[in-house]
Amino acid sequence: SQTIHQWPATLVQPVGSPLSLECTVEGTSNPNLYWYRQAAGRGLQLLFYSVGIGQISSEVPQNLSASRPQDRQFILSSKKLLLSDSGFYLCAWTALANYGYTFGSGTRLTVV
Amino acid sequence: KQEVTQIPAALSVPEGENLVLNCSFTDSAIYNLQWFRQDPGKGLTSLLLIQSSQREQTSGRLNASLDKSSGRSTLYIAASQPGDSATYLCAVGPANDYKLSFGAGTTVTVRA
Repeated sequence: SQTIHQWPATLVQPVGSPLSLECTVEGTSNPNLYWYRQAAGRGLQLLFYSVGIGQISSEVPQNLSASRPQDRQFILSSKKLLLSDSGFYLCAWTALANYGYTFGSGTRLTVV
Repeated sequence: KQEVTQIPAALSVPEGENLVLNCSFTDSAIYNLQWFRQDPGKGLTSLLLIQSSQREQTSGRLNASLDKSSGRSTLYIAASQPGDSATYLCAVGPANDYKLSFGAGTTVTVRA
């Protein structure tokens, strides 16, 4: 069966520090991968998605970047965190549109 | 741009009462619609996935309907239990790409 792993679960980082969040999927090949952010009291915002290795599409101009170095690995990064980067980050995957989305357990990022 | 609206934003019911959660979307050219559950501080758990060709899906006490022409979906939860307390999110998958559009969610509290 397919599983999705996301880590770390919680992160507290100072302003200006770098960021690296990792997401991996098991049990499937060539998944579509997504990074979403959920700010307090707000809905989910799509940040990046990838349909293949090295293929990254950005939805919202921001302080973050994404990379897909391997088929089932998706990384969210920042060189210098801002206070506004705080939020709940969720990774998701889908094989095909008609299979629906599966989400990871999320990373709570607090920038102080 | 697809807009997804969920009404009501919050709902509090006594245990045993049936729950009715509404979701509306502006663009009927969808591929599927997915209902998720989110517990506080947790990731999203998929509840039901309805393909655009389907009218409803059922799983246990949950039933979701889809009316593409009117841009509406309804999630019914029968005989609610305190364990059903969570935020329920509706997400719509467009016909031309793989990006989900989310509603802001309905936060449900079931009182024992």
